[in-house]
Amino acid sequence: EVQLIQSGAEVKKPGESLKISCQLSGSTFHNYWIGWVRQMPGKGLEWMGIIYPGDSTTRYSPSFVGQVTISADKSVNTAYLQWSNLKASDTAMYYCARHGVHTEYSWLDPWGQGTLVTVSS
Amino acid sequence: EIVLTQSPATLSLSPGERATLSCTATESLSLTFLAWYQQKPGQPPRLLFFNVSNRAPGVPDRFSARGSGTHFTLTISRVEAEDFAVYFCQQYRSSPFSFGQGTKLEIK
Repeated sequence: EVQLIQSGAEVKKPGESLKISCQLSGSTFHNYWIGWVRQMPGKGLEWMGIIYPGDSTTRYSPSFVGQVTISADKSVNTAYLQWSNLKASDTAMYYCARHGVHTEYSWLDPWGQGTLVTVSS
Repeated sequence: EIVLTQSPATLSLSPGERATLSCTATESLSLTFLAWYQQKPGQPPRLLFFNVSNRAPGVPDRFSARGSGTHFTLTISRVEAEDFAVYFCQQYRSSPFSFGQGTKLEIK
């Protein structure tokens, strides 16, 4: 069974840094794109960006360029999403998901369980 | 950047009724580059359909999806209690691979 396991909930203060993780099991890691999706409280899904772990190629939504960094470590089958300067507006649930087939032009399946990030002073 | 607009925002139906959800894109997605997801409270999204009309494993056949170009629909032939949720469409023709804003299917 293909699974994505995300790191646990985080509570941070504005201005702090954070790196959350997403580990893939049951599938090869290097040759599938992995995406990150934000869901703010009570709101819809926002596509943030994707990474191809094989060569660390990334694509970002213009809304998130310069706001977050997506990376991956093939040795531990894990993708990461990180912030260097958190804001209260970063409070949200963050999901990772694997692309369905070996191309970025594909759907998202499966999804991780989500990581809740709360930023509050 | 492709924008997806879903309608209606909220759909109020009784169990057994037919549900029709729409997703309209600002550019053509051809016959391929659209997916539908279902999300229930406290859960991650679940893939329902990929490449417009291909049902994901485990999705009941009361769900169907169709469309091409810029207009797409998700239909539930007879809504059951477990179907009340939020539904999102997503395009993956060009980055950023945007989502629609969602349609909430609620019990009438």
